[in-house]
Amino acid sequence: EAGVTQFPSHSVIEKGQTVTLRCDPISGHDNLYWYRRVMGKEIKFLLHFVKESKQDESGMPNNRFLAERTGGTYSTLKVQPAELEDSGVYFCASSRAGTGNEKLFFGSGTQLSVL
Amino acid sequence: DQQVKQNSPSLSVQEGRISILNCDYTNSMFDYFLWYKKYPAEGPTFLISISSIKDKNEDGRFTVFLNKSAKHLSLHIVPSQPGDSAVYFCAASAWGNGNKLVFGAGTILRVKS
Repeated sequence: EAGVTQFPSHSVIEKGQTVTLRCDPISGHDNLYWYRRVMGKEIKFLLHFVKESKQDESGMPNNRFLAERTGGTYSTLKVQPAELEDSGVYFCASSRAGTGNEKLFFGSGTQLSVL
Repeated sequence: DQQVKQNSPSLSVQEGRISILNCDYTNSMFDYFLWYKKYPAEGPTFLISISSIKDKNEDGRFTVFLNKSAKHLSLHIVPSQPGDSAVYFCAASAWGNGNKLVFGAGTILRVKS
């Protein structure tokens, strides 16, 4: 079974540019999450999809961040325009459908550097 | 406001000895706690979890202890092995919040051979 795949693994962009991160969850996993770790600090929740619907986007920093999951399969996270404080590692995770406490499987992350 | 705190940024232990990683939380609504392990350039991987109705959960060399009154949990690794060297994250979730995990900042464990 393939794991959670994230692309690209690294992205270096200039302030003001746009970047789109992609996540392919484990096949059959309805739940998809985006998390972010900034400068060695805690990993913070960004948002949660159930299939194609946004279940919880309370962790999204501001309206420069847009997440989509068309068709309930892969997801994209777009940052436009990027700012210096957006630098960090963006993790995607997925889990099976359930009532909660299902095990999360994480991807390797996208290291985003905004210069 | 950091709801899950790992106050030790790093820990160094001799191979074969016990590693004890600590975690404190402030939100009394948390009822499920997890430990994740992360190697460089990889995503976090699930290690062990505990529900708030228990005070101990064991899986091989790994044991998690929960002290609800102190809002404290710890991960014990016995015996420690060099392959255990990684960043360990404590995480918590509240009932009804699904898998919206709240993580600590992580503790870097180095096991010396």
